[in-house]
Amino acid sequence: AQSVAQPEDQVNVAEGNPLTVKCTYSVSGNPYLFWYVQYPNRGLQFLLKYITGDNLVKGSYGFEAEFNKSQTSFHLKKPSALVSDSALYFCAVRLKKVNYGGSQGNLIFGKGTKLSVKP
Amino acid sequence: NAGVTQTPKFRILKIGQSMTLQCTQDMNHNYMYWYRQDPGMGLKLIYYSVGAGITDKGEVPNGYNVSRSTTEDFPLRLELAAPSQTSVYFCATSLISGLGEQFFGPGTRLTVL
Repeated sequence: AQSVAQPEDQVNVAEGNPLTVKCTYSVSGNPYLFWYVQYPNRGLQFLLKYITGDNLVKGSYGFEAEFNKSQTSFHLKKPSALVSDSALYFCAVRLKKVNYGGSQGNLIFGKGTKLSVKP
Repeated sequence: NAGVTQTPKFRILKIGQSMTLQCTQDMNHNYMYWYRQDPGMGLKLIYYSVGAGITDKGEVPNGYNVSRSTTEDFPLRLELAAPSQTSVYFCATSLISGLGEQFFGPGTRLTVL
């Protein structure tokens, strides 16, 4: 079965320190991988995606993610955290192959990781 | 461009009541989705649509219905509200299913008492 795991419910980081939010996936075939961020009382916002190519993907707000096929991971990173980065982060995965009218093309979301950046 | 708009923002229902959550987009995206978000559970797909007149069930469709008569609108209907449907509901759109990012509305917080 396809699944996405975010093993940490919460990550605490001091402002200015690097941050990592972990994500692992389990799908058959090559996946498309996404990171979204949700600020309080808001909808999700797209951060970045991996489709193919370079394993290091750069996204919005200085975030980047590293795709590791052997470890089936797609960890979100940022070299220097800001207090304003505090939010809920979701990893999502989707199969590359799409069947018209089927559900394989839809996203599967992890449970989310709450990032707290303290001054 | 308003993007994806959802109404209402908040609603309290009594058990057995019905209501429709509205979702409208002005991005001319073919794909639209309804998710529910429960604390600590991530997002679960309720229904999705690949275009006007075409809808399909997601992971948790029971207790809900949808229609897609136009590209812009994708309403979600709750016929007999139950406490288990207390959740935050998000509508989303995408230009291409799975290849591009999804754009989310601000959500509707529903409480069933």
